[in-house]
Amino acid sequence: NAGVTQTPKFQVLKTGQSMTLQCAQDMNHEYMSWYRQDPGMGLRLIHYSVGAGITDQGEVPNGYNVSRSTTEDFPLRLLSAAPSQTSVYFCASSRQGPKETQYFGPGTRLLVL
Amino acid sequence: AQKITQTQPGMFVQEKEAVTLDCTYDTSDPSYGLFWYKQPSSGEMIFLIYQGSYDQQNATEGRYSLNFQKARKSANLVISASQLGDSAMYFCAMREPSYGQNFVFGPGTRLSVLP
Repeated sequence: NAGVTQTPKFQVLKTGQSMTLQCAQDMNHEYMSWYRQDPGMGLRLIHYSVGAGITDQGEVPNGYNVSRSTTEDFPLRLLSAAPSQTSVYFCASSRQGPKETQYFGPGTRLLVL
Repeated sequence: AQKITQTQPGMFVQEKEAVTLDCTYDTSDPSYGLFWYKQPSSGEMIFLIYQGSYDQQNATEGRYSLNFQKARKSANLVISASQLGDSAMYFCAMREPSYGQNFVFGPGTRLSVLP
């Protein structure tokens, strides 16, 4: 049982490049989400999904796309990287319901030059 | 308006002493969950403790307890007998139905345990 996995762990991009951050979970959780973490700002929700084929925007969705073709996978796509997207990105999953905690992946540190 | 407020950017505590990390929240949902996470310098997010809005008793998990005051909308984390390994960032978070079951996080408190 691997929990939530993310790849890569670290990435350097040039402005304008695109890339996909991978996220997978093996706990059969319906809910998955992507956050970015910036100093002094906690975690901010980018996109989330409540099941395969269903995605929605969070607090800071601009510049990012997601899809959810399977329960297990929830990739995050940066369409045209900008220095403002330099951050640490976390993927998380949980069961549905206000009592259910989220389980986090190890994070991806992204640097956009 | 911020839904989760953590007013202590940084805290110091002596080893073996207890420390309280503050968290206040804002919601109009009657049913919600409150969570605390620990983030050590290695970066991973570790779930510590949960409190439900309808729970009559304060949650406890080992050395962690939650001082839940519903009327004041506060959910303070108490760490007893601090250890050097408790030095980390601590985040308070809330999950509520009106926010699509999403989590909202506070800005965090950095705790430093002194030997």
